[in-house]
Amino acid sequence: SQKIEQNSEALNIQEGKTATLTCNYTNYSPAYLQWYRQDPGRGPVFLLLIRENEKEKRKERLKVTFDTTLKQSLFHITASQPADSATYLCASRTGFQKLVFGTGTRLLVSP
Amino acid sequence: DTGVSQDPRHKITKRGQNVTFRCDPISEHNRLYWYRQTLGQGPEFLTYFQNEAQLEKSRLLSDRFSAERPKGSFSTLEIQRTEQGDSAMYLCASSGEQLEAFFGQGTRLTVV
Repeated sequence: SQKIEQNSEALNIQEGKTATLTCNYTNYSPAYLQWYRQDPGRGPVFLLLIRENEKEKRKERLKVTFDTTLKQSLFHITASQPADSATYLCASRTGFQKLVFGTGTRLLVSP
Repeated sequence: DTGVSQDPRHKITKRGQNVTFRCDPISEHNRLYWYRQTLGQGPEFLTYFQNEAQLEKSRLLSDRFSAERPKGSFSTLEIQRTEQGDSAMYLCASSGEQLEAFFGQGTRLTVV
């Protein structure tokens, strides 16, 4: 079956460092991948979308890559700040435009 | 229109009771989704509407769950004969021609 997988272990980094989160997909070829941020008790908020023909996309301190050979997307936050602490979700569409999510990776940035 | 609105934000109900949640999407959005989320997990797809048509429904959605979107505007999600395992955050999202989904704040259901 079509799957999106993220590392369920929390990622702890120090302020100022670059955080890198991984999203892997299996058994399908998404036309694009999306990344969302979710804070506790709130709904996810869209951050970035990258299409299969784009190698890289940037938005301020965020960068997303899409490697169709490895079936993987990487999400980077440069110069991380404690305010970046949240859960980051990878998502893509399958079937009749159904949007499916990975389990998310919790990021904790320490001052 | 300030975004996707869900009501109520919190619901505590006794096992066996029926509950209904409402979602008001962004007005120009034709796609509407319902998800369920438990602690430490990503949003789990429940069902999807395009306008008033329910195009996809998860196999996880038992017969106790039903969703409607009359006239392609707001949507309701009903859970009949609630069970403790139904306790979760229920999220609604909508999208239009753009590809990203906009989520509401969710309804937290606790079944006691």
